[in-house]
Amino acid sequence: QKEVEQDPGPLSVPEGAIVSLNCTYSNSAFQYFMWYRQYSRKGPELLMYTYSSGNKEDGRFTAQVDKSSKYISLFIRDSQPSDSATYLCATAATDSWGKLQFGAGTQVVVTP
Amino acid sequence: DADVTQTPRNRITKTGKRIMLECSQTKGHDRMYWYRQDPGLGLRLIYYSFDVKDINKGEISDGYSVSRQAQAKFSLSLESAIPNQTALYFCATEVLGTQYFGPGTRLTVL
Repeated sequence: QKEVEQDPGPLSVPEGAIVSLNCTYSNSAFQYFMWYRQYSRKGPELLMYTYSSGNKEDGRFTAQVDKSSKYISLFIRDSQPSDSATYLCATAATDSWGKLQFGAGTQVVVTP
Repeated sequence: DADVTQTPRNRITKTGKRIMLECSQTKGHDRMYWYRQDPGLGLRLIYYSFDVKDINKGEISDGYSVSRQAQAKFSLSLESAIPNQTALYFCATEVLGTQYFGPGTRLTVL
C-alpha cells in the first residue's frame, strides 16, 4: 500500500464551481504537505506548501491538513478552464527532508 | 531559458540498450533528484544527490545508475533498458523543501 493515496479522477466540473481534492496518508511522521500542479506535457510545479496541521489560503486556493485523520485537502474556488491540470499531493517527514512521497495525482477538467 | 532542462525530451530505444538521460540546472541548487512517473502510480524517487559528492538511492533504484558531474549536472543511466522502464522521467532541484522540476523525458523501451 502506498504511503499517500489519492483518487486519480478525472474530476470534471463546470467553470466557476469549487474543486475539492484530497489525499490520505499513513505515516504519522509526515510534517510537510504540498500540492503540485502539473499541466499536460509539463513538469509539476509547487502550488501550496503547509507545515503541520491547519489551513493556508493563497488567492483562490486553500490547503487544509488534518493530522489527526491524516487527511490533506485542496480547494479551488471560482474554478477556471486554466485550472485544468493534474494535481499531486506530496508529503515529507522532518528526518527525510527533500524525499517527498507523492500521491498518484488527480486529473481535473474545468469545462467552460 | 528554463532553469531546469532535460535532454532528450523524447526517446525510443530497444531492450538491452544503454541510455543516458541528462539534466542541467541554472538555479544553483545543491540538491537534485530523479523521478519516474507512471499512470496511477504518481512520481517515484529513483536517485537523489545532496551535493556533488553525495549520491543516494531512492525507492526504485534497481536497473538505474546516476552521475553527478557538477553542481549543475545530474545524469540518469539505464545500463540495459527493459520495457517496464517505459515511463516519463523527471529531474528536479530542491531548496528549502521546494522542488523545481524539469520538463520531463518520455522514454519508450521496445
